[in-house]
Amino acid sequence: QKEVEQDPGPLSVPEGAIVSLNCTYSNSAFQYFMWYRQYSRKGPELLMYTYSSGNKEDGRFTAQVDKSSKYISLFIRDSQPSDSATYLCAMSAADSSYKLIFGSGTRLLVRP
Amino acid sequence: DAGVTQSPTHLIKTRGQHVTLRCSPISGHKSVSWYQQVLGQGPQFIFQYYEKEERGRGNFPDRFSARQFPNYSSELNVNALLLGDSALYLCASSVQHSNQPQHFGDGTRLSIL
Repeated sequence: QKEVEQDPGPLSVPEGAIVSLNCTYSNSAFQYFMWYRQYSRKGPELLMYTYSSGNKEDGRFTAQVDKSSKYISLFIRDSQPSDSATYLCAMSAADSSYKLIFGSGTRLLVRP
Repeated sequence: DAGVTQSPTHLIKTRGQHVTLRCSPISGHKSVSWYQQVLGQGPQFIFQYYEKEERGRGNFPDRFSARQFPNYSSELNVNALLLGDSALYLCASSVQHSNQPQHFGDGTRLSIL
């Protein structure tokens, strides 16, 4: 079993929809949680960086962490075709926060 | 400000050869990490360097090595290349070695024939 599980998709939504992306994990030591966006032939771009549980909002993006359920989510409001990309969740433990453990990514397609 | 820069962009090698990949971190960042991303998978941690010292190592064979220079740039070396080493090699930089967000470059795509 992988430490971090992520549905590969693809997830196809119409422009303007609210998108929900999720990851589950098994290691209760994870304290830092991140979401990255990766376009084809590009490196991952950091979208959200959170510590421990709770919500964090940045523009159209909201990240949620539920440590009791070992479940994290990224919501994208008013989705745009330019949001079409692969979304990677990543997390790390407090004693090895430099070592990011990634999910395999969810491919998102926003249709005009 | 320039982001993380990596060179070369693409590289083609044959089995048994060795390769050196280079990374320049964001200005002011002292930590560099290396990841391997196989097609369809998330990146896998290889190394972290901070202040020229190895601070962490992932589950990769000794054929993989790295170093960091006084200007905080870094090199990843892979010896005795195998077909399975074909991947996108990503470099990430952060201000310090822990508890800091990591920012990635666009990677070097390595193909082994």
